[in-house]
Amino acid sequence: DTAVSQTPKYLVTQMGNDKSIKCEQNLGHDTMYWYKQDSKKFLKIMFSYNNKELIINETVPNRFSPKSPDKAHLNLHINSLELGDSAVYFCASSQSRGGTEAFFGQGTRLTVV
Amino acid sequence: GQSLEQPSEVTAVEGAIVQINCTYQTSGFYGLSWYQQHDGGAPTFLSYNGLDGLEETGRFSSFLSRSDSYGYLLLQELQMKDSASYFCAVGTNAGKSTFGDGTTLTVKP
Repeated sequence: DTAVSQTPKYLVTQMGNDKSIKCEQNLGHDTMYWYKQDSKKFLKIMFSYNNKELIINETVPNRFSPKSPDKAHLNLHINSLELGDSAVYFCASSQSRGGTEAFFGQGTRLTVV
Repeated sequence: GQSLEQPSEVTAVEGAIVQINCTYQTSGFYGLSWYQQHDGGAPTFLSYNGLDGLEETGRFSSFLSRSDSYGYLLLQELQMKDSASYFCAVGTNAGKSTFGDGTTLTVKP
């Protein structure tokens, strides 16, 4: 019955690899997000989708590509992983576009070695 | 762009009341939210203010003054389990949500 679920929870990979993180929400929300939390715990928005349409794309390298097959799913694909990509990535969803009352997934701890 | 300021650390004792302030600068302000995050966990939603005034949810209350671009989170009857990081977040009409850098609250016996 998890509201926002993302997989995997942990991901360890080598530099240069390509990896994907999946996210699904069963709350019926229209808006989904990807956030990156670095080692200092700063939470930065990366992308925001509303009804499968990209509405926010922060200054994120082109190696990061979100895909939303339907409004309940927002996946994140990362190409050519770099050491600096190591962080915790959170998926979230909310009913409104303003990002209010967002529900977060458990996070994916990505470690690039 | 958006910017938020909140204290980096706050310490209080069990049973006390603590207030975490948040000032922000943004265009297209939509609302101010507060989140709690325990170490190793995900942020969890605590409270939201879209209009001026006080919102109360149990031991937690949140206040907003749009004219002052200021809000705060008030935690009453502090418990040890309240030790966590607290984030304020500004949402905009364009759909962007920007988080502050977080306040680490330590509750001591």
